[in-house]
Amino acid sequence: AQSVTQLGSHVSVSEGALVLLRCNYSSSVPPYLFWYVQYPNQGLQLLLKYTSAATLVKGINGFEAEFKKSETSFHLTKPSAHMSDAAEYFCAVSEGGATNKLIFGTGTLLAVQS
Amino acid sequence: NAGVTQTPKFQVLKTGQSMTLQCAQDMNHEYMSWYRQDPGMGLRLIHYSVGAGITDQGEVPNGYNVSRSTTEDFPLRLLSAAPSQTSVYFCASSRDRILAGLPEQYFGPGTRLTVT
Repeated sequence: AQSVTQLGSHVSVSEGALVLLRCNYSSSVPPYLFWYVQYPNQGLQLLLKYTSAATLVKGINGFEAEFKKSETSFHLTKPSAHMSDAAEYFCAVSEGGATNKLIFGTGTLLAVQS
Repeated sequence: NAGVTQTPKFQVLKTGQSMTLQCAQDMNHEYMSWYRQDPGMGLRLIHYSVGAGITDQGEVPNGYNVSRSTTEDFPLRLLSAAPSQTSVYFCASSRDRILAGLPEQYFGPGTRLTVT
């Protein structure tokens, strides 16, 4: 069965600092991986997805993630944090097969300090 | 397009009551699903549907029923509410994976349910 692990349930950075949110996956087949963002009291919004076309994936709002098969990782980064980035971030893996079922990590709450 | 809509936004139930959470999408998506979100546990799949008339169980289906009579609607029924079902519920929809590769899933704004 596929799974994802997000290290760090809370991450705090200063405005302008690097953002690094960690995600490791477990999969017996080449995975499809996603990062979603959830702003307070809202639904989830797709940031980016990995579909094997390129290992470095660029998403919205200046975020990007790099797929590293040797490390089974798909960490999310942003060079310079902005106050508006404060939100909860979820890594997810597609279960594969004929459905679009997603397996989510437990989430990382990002706080940005001024 | 309104996207994925959910009603109600908030609901309080007493133990043993039943209710239906509504979900609708206007994007003609084949795939729809229900998740529950609990603190520290991320989102867990309750039920999903790959098209009208076809539903299947996800990771945590007990205590919930679904049906899919139309492409647009995918209601979630709680037959006899329990305090353990206190959660935030999200509906999501997307194109079918076989037809559209790896499509984005669109999420509704959620329903916050409290069972006392």
